This record gives sequence, C-alpha cells and structure tokens, in this order.
Amino acid sequence: DVVMTQSPLSLPVTLGQPASISCRSSQSLVFSDGITYLNWFQQRPGQSPRRLIYKVSNRDSGVPDRFSGSGSGTDFTLKISRVEAEDIGVYYCMQGTHWPPITFGQGTRLEI
Amino acid sequence: QVQLQQWGAGLLKPSETLSLTCAVYGGSFSDHLWTWVRQSPGTGLEWIGEINYTGNTNYNPSLKSRVTISVDTSKNQFSLKMNSVTAADTAVYYCARGRQLNSWGQGTLVTVSS
Repeated sequence: DVVMTQSPLSLPVTLGQPASISCRSSQSLVFSDGITYLNWFQQRPGQSPRRLIYKVSNRDSGVPDRFSGSGSGTDFTLKISRVEAEDIGVYYCMQGTHWPPITFGQGTRLEI
Repeated sequence: QVQLQQWGAGLLKPSETLSLTCAVYGGSFSDHLWTWVRQSPGTGLEWIGEINYTGNTNYNPSLKSRVTISVDTSKNQFSLKMNSVTAADTAVYYCARGRQLNSWGQGTLVTVSS
C-alpha cells in the first residue's frame, strides 16, 4: 500500500496568517495516464470530509481561492493564504493513483 | 447537485453482520463509481471498496474476505455488508461518489459491543 505521510499533525494558526501542510507519498503518484491523483479534504468538527482540491491543484466548486495545492511526484503541499475561522478542522491528503487500496494521510489538525 | 443519504444499524454485537445502504439523489448514477470509507480514531480514514453501476467491485485487500458491496440501479442505491464484525470495526462509515471522493454522505456511526 502507498503510505501517505502528513506534517505537521497539529498546526497552530493565527487568523489572517498563512498556513501550509505537507504530504509525502511512499511512491510517485503519477498514473499511467500522466495524471497525478492527489486530493485534499477538509473535515470540520462534526461534519463529513469535503474535497477541496483534486489532481494536485484543482479547486472544487465553491472552495475559496485562499486554498491552493501544489507539488509533484511524491511531495505535495496545501496552502491557505489567510486563515479564517471557518477553516478550523482536520485536513487530509489522499492518493487515488495506486489502488486498491486508496490511502489517506493521518490528518493535520488546524487549530487556533 | 448530488446528495448521498445513508442509513443502517448503528449498534451491533461481535460476530454480527454490518449492513448499510446509500441512496444517491441527483446526477447520473451510471456515470460514477460509488465508494465506502470508514473513519475511526485508531486508524483514521480507511477505504473499504467501490462499485460501478454494472456491479464490478474493488475491495481493500485487508477487508476483502469480510466485505460485499452491491448496487441496485433501479433505486440508485448501493450497499455495504461486512460480516463477523469485532470491536475493531467500530467507526463512522461514509458513502461517497467516485474514486476521487467528490461528494460524501452524512456518515453512520457503527458501534460493535457485546
């Protein structure tokens, strides 16, 4: 199985300041079609996960543009340009390239 | 706008069978894969498996021997069965759309306890 490693696991933030989460995979996430299936999810307290970013850097509909994804191969980053109160929660990376199984990172808790 | 609504028994005894169903509203049922994921404090998010509208499935090898995912295209529903549950299967179970999980159900807490 592909192991997804996130850091940090806990990220204290200040409202209005930037935040960055790293995700590393145990092998390259480039699929045979040339696409990298690396997604980011946000889970607010008491809610289901919600996809924010797909295929490394594409924002889902309705996701604020302060969220951005980048990276390639085995190293990926989720950035929030200016943290807002509604961003508090847990963030997960997920790889959909090597399956079964699809695998997730351990999660990064964004907290004030 | 697709909506996924799930239901099933929330309290099981060890060795019983977990059974959950997810109904899909909106969008094209036949155009997507349909997935089950679970989340527990101990193991985080874990992919269980997926199915397409023709019934073709892929399972997590770690759960494959106990899991069956099925589909009912007449109702736009898909289901999860997991047999011989133990306390380790206590988790919130989610249904979701696609292999890339672009929409999720509300989750069902399943507790296994004697």
